[in-house]
Amino acid sequence: EAEVAQSPRYKITEKSQAVAFWCDPISGHATLYWYRQILGQGPELLVQFQDESVVDDSQLPKDRFSAERLKGVDSTLKIQPAELGDSAMYLCASSSTSGGTYEQYFGPGTRLTVT
Amino acid sequence: GENVEQHPSTLSVQEGDSAVIKCTYSDSASNYFPWYKQELGKRPQLIIDIRSNVGEKKDQRIAVTLNKTAKHFSLHITETQPEDSAVYFCAAGNDYKLSFGAGTTVTVRA
Repeated sequence: EAEVAQSPRYKITEKSQAVAFWCDPISGHATLYWYRQILGQGPELLVQFQDESVVDDSQLPKDRFSAERLKGVDSTLKIQPAELGDSAMYLCASSSTSGGTYEQYFGPGTRLTVT
Repeated sequence: GENVEQHPSTLSVQEGDSAVIKCTYSDSASNYFPWYKQELGKRPQLIIDIRSNVGEKKDQRIAVTLNKTAKHFSLHITETQPEDSAVYFCAAGNDYKLSFGAGTTVTVRA
């Protein structure tokens, strides 16, 4: 069964450094989501792509976070500079816009620790 | 935007007993209500979902009920087993955007 892939699985970085996460959605899924999950909380949407276009980035801290999905396939989320409060799990999810089902399939996540 | 509240935050049940998790939502336009299960160290996975034109849906030992008037929905797990131990998240929204609850950690005691 196809799955959403993410890398790295774990990342430790010092504050003020730059960090990047990669996501490869399920093949054919046009919609891609980046979520942040703080320990003990539910996933919070950061940015949503439809193909290569951003459709919702209202919760993305744009002064330090950026996201791109240049060819409408895989995506990168970047943080520069990282802050202590950015420590969290970053989840990527994808969904199809065809076939009548819009289930979001999640990747394994990237656990970020900022020291 | 949509605001989802989930209760309880932790739930401990004896194996074989039932577990119930409740969620409320704020946006009456929400029409899709999925439930995700996240086992320790694993990705969230959809276990059941319900749409606003349905009041109840069942899949083996799990069921979800929806009260649109009161804006709340619930997950029911019957005959709990050790493998049901996990964090469960409710969500509300539509086919394109979801807001998640804070999660319920369910522990099934043998």
